[in-house]
Amino acid sequence: ELKVEQNPLFLSMQEGKNYTIYCNYSTTSDRLYWYRQDPGKSLESLFVLLSNGAVKQEGRLMASLDTKARLSTLHITAAVHDLSATYFCAPRGGADGLTFGKGTHLIIQP
Amino acid sequence: EPEVTQTPSHQVTQMGQEVILRCVPISNHLYFYWYRQILGQKVEFLVSFYNNEISEKSEIFDDQFSVERPDGSNFTLKIRSTKLEDSAMYFCASSTDRDTEAFFGQGTRLTVV
Repeated sequence: ELKVEQNPLFLSMQEGKNYTIYCNYSTTSDRLYWYRQDPGKSLESLFVLLSNGAVKQEGRLMASLDTKARLSTLHITAAVHDLSATYFCAPRGGADGLTFGKGTHLIIQP
Repeated sequence: EPEVTQTPSHQVTQMGQEVILRCVPISNHLYFYWYRQILGQKVEFLVSFYNNEISEKSEIFDDQFSVERPDGSNFTLKIRSTKLEDSAMYFCASSTDRDTEAFFGQGTRLTVV
C-alpha cells in the first residue's frame, strides 16, 4: 500500500521568503502530481512529474522528483500572499487512482 | 475553458437514505474518477471508470457505492444507504486518458444527519 507523507503540514511564512515542502512516498510510483486547493474550492493541478530528476517550474513554484529517494519537493521562491493555499502531492500507486498526502496548509503573511 | 461540473453543490440526507451525486465530465475525456475528502483530511480515491466499466476501485468503494454513466454526458456516484461517516466533499474528476492530468470539479458536499 502506497503511503505518502508531506511535511510540514502547516507553514506560515512571510512574503518574500523561500521555502520547500517535502513529499515522501513509500513504494514505486510512475508519476507524481502536485495540486493546489484554496479553502472550500476544488483541486487545481500544478505539476505532473514523470521521471527521475524531473523538474518543472511555473512562476514562483518549482517541483522536482527523485524516484530513487521516493521524494518530491515543491519549492516556493519569494512567496507572495496569493500563494496561500493547501498543497497536495499525489503519486500514482495503483492503476489509475492517486494517493494524496495530507496536504501542506500554507499561509503567507504580508 | 472546459470544466467538470458537479450537482448539487451541497446535499443533506438522512442516514439510511440513498443519494446520487452527479457529474458532467469534460466532453472529450475518457477516464472518470470519484474522490472524497472528509472535512480537514486528505483526498481519498474511490473509483475510476473507463469504457463503461470500473477500471479500479479502492477499499472505501464497497457494495454501498456504485457508479454509472447513464448517458453520453453524465457520470454518477450512488450511495445506497448513507452512513454518518459518508459525510464528506465528493469530487468528480476526468482526464483524456489514464496518463494525463485529471481535472477536478467543484465538489458536492454531502452531509448525512
